[in-house]
Amino acid sequence: EMQLVQSGAEVKKPGESLKISCKGSGYNFVRHRIGWLRQTPDKGLEWMGIIFPGDSDTRYNPSFEGQVTISADKSISTAYLQWSSLRASDTALYYCATRSHAAFDVWGQGTMVTVSS
Amino acid sequence: DIQMTQSPSSLSASVGDRVIITCRTSQNIEDYLNWYQQKPGNAPKLLIFAASSLQSGVPSRFSGTGSGTVFTLTVSRLQPEDFGTYYCQESYTTLGSFGPGTKLD
Repeated sequence: EMQLVQSGAEVKKPGESLKISCKGSGYNFVRHRIGWLRQTPDKGLEWMGIIFPGDSDTRYNPSFEGQVTISADKSISTAYLQWSSLRASDTALYYCATRSHAAFDVWGQGTMVTVSS
Repeated sequence: DIQMTQSPSSLSASVGDRVIITCRTSQNIEDYLNWYQQKPGNAPKLLIFAASSLQSGVPSRFSGTGSGTVFTLTVSRLQPEDFGTYYCQESYTTLGSFGPGTKLD
């Protein structure tokens, strides 16, 4: 069974860095794109970017480009979403999800990130 | 950007009801439209992809139709586990915008 397991909730201060993870299991990790999505009460669900773990080809939603970095380590079947300097506006629930048939078909359980001074 | 709207924004229904949710897009997206269900505390779950294709494991009471700019999700006979929020998503562009959601309670 395809499964994505995300790292746990984080509480950070503005300006701090953060890297959250998403580990795939039950499938060939390098053959499925993984996307990162953000969910907030204000803006709903937003697609942030996507990576193909096979060659690390990464595409970003222009709204998030330069704000976050998406990466993957295929040796441990894990994708990452990272920030170098968090802002309060990064407070959100973040999901990873595999992409198939131009849709997000398998989702992680979500990682809540809270940024507050 | 493609603008996504959903109607209604909320809907009260009973077990056994037939429910229809509509998603409209600001430009023609052919059949690049997906539907998701989200329950409180859970990640979204893919129900329908490519406007009308049922995702594996999803009950057949869910169906999707439409193309171009108007799409519908129908739940033929509502079950207790169907309550939650439903989102449409376009996959025509790389942005893959989501609709604002329809809360079904």
